[in-house]
Amino acid sequence: GENVEQHPSTLSVQEGDSAVIKCTYSDSASNYFPWYKQELGKRPQLIIDIRSNVGEKKDQRIAVTLNKTAKHFSLHITETQPEDSAVYFCAASYSGGGADGLTFGKGTHLIIQP
Amino acid sequence: DTEVTQTPKHLVMGMTNKKSLKCEQHMGHRAMYWYKQKAKKPPELMFVYSYEKLSINESVPSRFSPECPNSSLLNLHLHALQPEDSALYLCASSHGTGIYNEQFFGPGTRLTVL
Repeated sequence: GENVEQHPSTLSVQEGDSAVIKCTYSDSASNYFPWYKQELGKRPQLIIDIRSNVGEKKDQRIAVTLNKTAKHFSLHITETQPEDSAVYFCAASYSGGGADGLTFGKGTHLIIQP
Repeated sequence: DTEVTQTPKHLVMGMTNKKSLKCEQHMGHRAMYWYKQKAKKPPELMFVYSYEKLSINESVPSRFSPECPNSSLLNLHLHALQPEDSALYLCASSHGTGIYNEQFFGPGTRLTVL
């Protein structure tokens, strides 16, 4: 089955700086890569996703890049703000036209220092 | 309605009890999922329902019994649980067809087994 590795486990950045979280996956059949943000006691919230036919996607301050050959994808957050503090999970799945569960990385605790 | 709802929010049960968790969505999604999340860990897939049929069971013990009465509802019946089953149980839904596989999570049921 799929295995997703995520680094770092904890990331502390100064407010206004950029943050980068990296993930690798093992199954070359995976073609859908979402990122979720989970605040303490809350549900995981989908913040951005990318499909394997695209190399990069951007939405305001967040962007995701995908290197299909190397099987890794990254989340980039620019101009970080205190409300960006949370646990971020990457995930991978195969979308063959039906339903497939997500395999998550272990998570990155992002801390924004004021 | 663009949310996934779950009841109850909290549940405390003994090892001999029988209880059920409920999940509901009215987004017209045809795929629904159960995930288990332990503290400081990522969600782990338990079951996937596609068009009201169980399509994936991730070798979950039989003390967890899923049910999908209709396309909007998903239940998880619990019986003879162990203390190590204490966790946050998350329900999610997705379109379930084509490439629209974004999964949206409910707020979860926090389960404590005594």
